[in-house]
Amino acid sequence: RKEVEQDPGPFNVPEGATVAFNCTYSNSASQSFFWYRQDCRKEPKLLMSVYSSGNEDGRFTAQLNRASQYISLLIRDSKLSDSATYLCVVMPYGQNFVFGPGTRLSVLP
Amino acid sequence: DADVTQTPRNRITKTGKRIMLECSQTKGHDRMYWYRQDPGLGLQLIYYSFDVKDINKGEISDGYSVSRQAQAKFSLSLESAIPNQTALYFCATSEPGTATQFFGPGTRLTVL
Repeated sequence: RKEVEQDPGPFNVPEGATVAFNCTYSNSASQSFFWYRQDCRKEPKLLMSVYSSGNEDGRFTAQLNRASQYISLLIRDSKLSDSATYLCVVMPYGQNFVFGPGTRLSVLP
Repeated sequence: DADVTQTPRNRITKTGKRIMLECSQTKGHDRMYWYRQDPGLGLQLIYYSFDVKDINKGEISDGYSVSRQAQAKFSLSLESAIPNQTALYFCATSEPGTATQFFGPGTRLTVL
């Protein structure tokens, strides 16, 4: 089993739709969690950190369920510019980042 | 100007050649990393360095070596390139105590 798993997609959604991505991780010692965004052929960039209580940044909401070892990202009112690959990133205590394979999103006009 | 730069941006080479990929940063970060990315896979850590005198192997270091010439420079070498090293390579930096990593634009390497 991979350490971090994501649905590869692609998710094809119309503009204005709400879309949710899931991520599961296998290392229960994981302490820090993030969503990164990667545009085609570009470098990953931090989208948001994920906190235990859940957190929101504009149209983006991240949730963490430690008991189920599950992270989610919700995007509301999708824009064309949201089209990208979303990488789930987990950092076990004292270790380096572990990246998921990414979920590809295409927002259609 | 970009905070993390990589050269070259694209490289095509032949099996058996020695290749060096270079990374420079102006962020003043002590920690630097080299990753490779293959289609359908997550980024895989090749090597990382927490300061100039510190070099550590990542999960896929075989076939690669690194040099930390200065705080700002971290080079990745393929001593004898092979086709399955064809991938997109990223350099990244971070600060101690924070988990955010900042990536360079990537080097697309093709080994024929």
